[in-house]
Amino acid sequence: EVQLLESGGGLAQPGGSLRLSCAASGFTFTTYAMNWVRQAPGKGLEWVSTISGGGDTTYYADSVKGRFTISRDNSKNTLYLQMNRLRAEDTAIYYCAPKYYFDYWGQGTLVTVSS
Amino acid sequence: EIVLTQSPGTVSLSPGERATLSCRASRNVGISYLAWYQQKPGQAPRLLIYGASNRATGIPDRFSGTGSGTDFTLTISRLEPEDFAVYYCQQYGSSPPFTFGPGTTVAIK
Repeated sequence: EVQLLESGGGLAQPGGSLRLSCAASGFTFTTYAMNWVRQAPGKGLEWVSTISGGGDTTYYADSVKGRFTISRDNSKNTLYLQMNRLRAEDTAIYYCAPKYYFDYWGQGTLVTVSS
Repeated sequence: EIVLTQSPGTVSLSPGERATLSCRASRNVGISYLAWYQQKPGQAPRLLIYGASNRATGIPDRFSGTGSGTDFTLTISRLEPEDFAVYYCQQYGSSPPFTFGPGTTVAIK
């Protein structure tokens, strides 16, 4: 059974940092690209970032480029999102998901950016 | 970046009726790299359709997807009470950025 468990969310101040993690199980982690997708309160879905299976290629939405860094540890089957210089508009539930169309989702982790 | 537009924004229907949801891309999404998701309040999205017309595992056959290029449709043949939700399309062609449409709400009439 595929399981995705996001963690690391919480309250951060504007300009602050958070590191999200996503522990994956139930599939061959190294085989698949992994993604972060977010959803602001009451809003739609927004793709944030993608990393290739080997971790050598990354992509970012313009809204987070230069502030967020996606990475993965294939020995631990874990995906990360380092979020720096946080803004109020980064407030959202952050989900991790494998592949390019997202057939599995975690429960998400809530990030709130507020002073 | 490919922009997706969904219509209508909201549709009000009764159980048993047919729902037709549209998703239009600003340019060709390439070999039908188009997915549909259902999301209910407080839940993560659920994949319904990938590759424009392939139902995901466990999805009832009342859900069907059609289209190619820039115009795509999700049809729910007969609405069940559990189908009232928000539906998003997503394109995943060639390489990121991947984009989602703004969503269509299927509401109970």
